[in-house]
Amino acid sequence: QVQLVEAGGGVVQPGRSLRLSCTASGFTFGSSGMHWVRQAPGKGLEWVAFLRYDGSNKQYAESVKGRFTISRDNSKNTVYLQMNSLRPEDTAVYYCAKGVTGWYSQFDYWGQGTLVTVSS
Amino acid sequence: DIQMTQSPSTLSASVGDRVTITCRASHSVSRWLAWYQQKPGKAPKLLISKASTLESGVPSRFSGSGSGTEFTLTITSLQPDDFATYYCQQYETYLTFGQGTKVEIK
Repeated sequence: QVQLVEAGGGVVQPGRSLRLSCTASGFTFGSSGMHWVRQAPGKGLEWVAFLRYDGSNKQYAESVKGRFTISRDNSKNTVYLQMNSLRPEDTAVYYCAKGVTGWYSQFDYWGQGTLVTVSS
Repeated sequence: DIQMTQSPSTLSASVGDRVTITCRASHSVSRWLAWYQQKPGKAPKLLISKASTLESGVPSRFSGSGSGTEFTLTITSLQPDDFATYYCQQYETYLTFGQGTKVEIK
């Protein structure tokens, strides 16, 4: 069955960096676009970033553009989110999600999420 | 960006009730609209794609309708497992979610 397992969350001070990872199984990862979606405590869902299956197209929400970088290693079935210059408003549960099609897509599978807390 | 607005924000209902949640888009999204269910502490689950296509394994008491700027998610005969928060998401241009509708026990 499809599984997405995130890791790398934790508590970090403002201005510091953190790298999240998401390891996939149960589907052809190398043929799938992958996304990161976040949810601040008690709030709704916010799309963060997308990476095409071959790494050729990256897209970011305006709120993270220039600070976050999405990447992938298809040999390891893993997608990453490098988060730099973190701000308190980046505090959220971060989910990786599999896209059904290209960038403009719904998300048919989600990981369990990893909590990132940005606080001094 | 296309803004998505759900109503109501909270809905109190009883087991067996028919429930309708509305999602309005600030610009037409054609039928590029998905619905998700999220329970506390869990990841969202995709229920419906392309406004009305039920995902595999989703009970038939869930249905979606609409096009353009107005969409509805209907749950006929609400079950105990359906108490959750529901989100719409457009994927016509960029990717945006509604703010969510919490379905709680009356």
